[in-house]
Amino acid sequence: GIQVEQSPPDLILQEGANSTLRCNFSDSVNNLQWFHQNPWGQLINLFYIPSGTKQNGRLSATTVATERYSLLYISSSQTTDSGVYFCAVDHDSNYQLIWGAGTKLIIKP
Amino acid sequence: SQTIHQWPATLVQPVGSPLSLECTVEGTSNPNLYWYRQAAGRGLQLLFYSVGIGQISSEVPQNLSASRPQDRQFILSSKKLLLSDSGFYLCAWSGDMSESRSYYEQYFGPGTRLTVT
Repeated sequence: GIQVEQSPPDLILQEGANSTLRCNFSDSVNNLQWFHQNPWGQLINLFYIPSGTKQNGRLSATTVATERYSLLYISSSQTTDSGVYFCAVDHDSNYQLIWGAGTKLIIKP
Repeated sequence: SQTIHQWPATLVQPVGSPLSLECTVEGTSNPNLYWYRQAAGRGLQLLFYSVGIGQISSEVPQNLSASRPQDRQFILSSKKLLLSDSGFYLCAWSGDMSESRSYYEQYFGPGTRLTVT
């Protein structure tokens, strides 16, 4: 089945820094989503981005489907950005999202 | 707008006891519904999904079952809990037909933390 790899596994930054999180996938995808899981466990939708580029405030994402990767950019990090960022993909529209292991981001004040 | 509710938020149950977790979605009709489990520090594992009332697909053989008695209600059950059933259970929905969203985009509820003792 399709494999999803996220890097780095852990990232510690000072407030105000920028970061780039990567998601590699091993096959074509119909759906790719980025989520932020906050310390209370809530999964927050960031982007639905099977291809192309999107921006929402300080966050932006780019998926290059032909090269099988997606990038999540966080600019001017805030402590509230801390948590785990997950990439999840759907390969053949069978309703099952395949999840990466996540990137744990810690933003220090 | 659509909202998804789960309850209870936390639950501590002894081994061998039954389980019932409930999930409801508001503001949409005929959603696709999902139950996931997340072990500590890990990604999510799909347990069940449903594309309509009474239609349940199981992804992982286990001690759990799911039912969908109403269009926007999804229930996760067990007759006898095991220690290995402990975890964070998340319900999700997809199927938004509006122009601003994708049909396949999944949205998650707040989750239930289950501890089996």
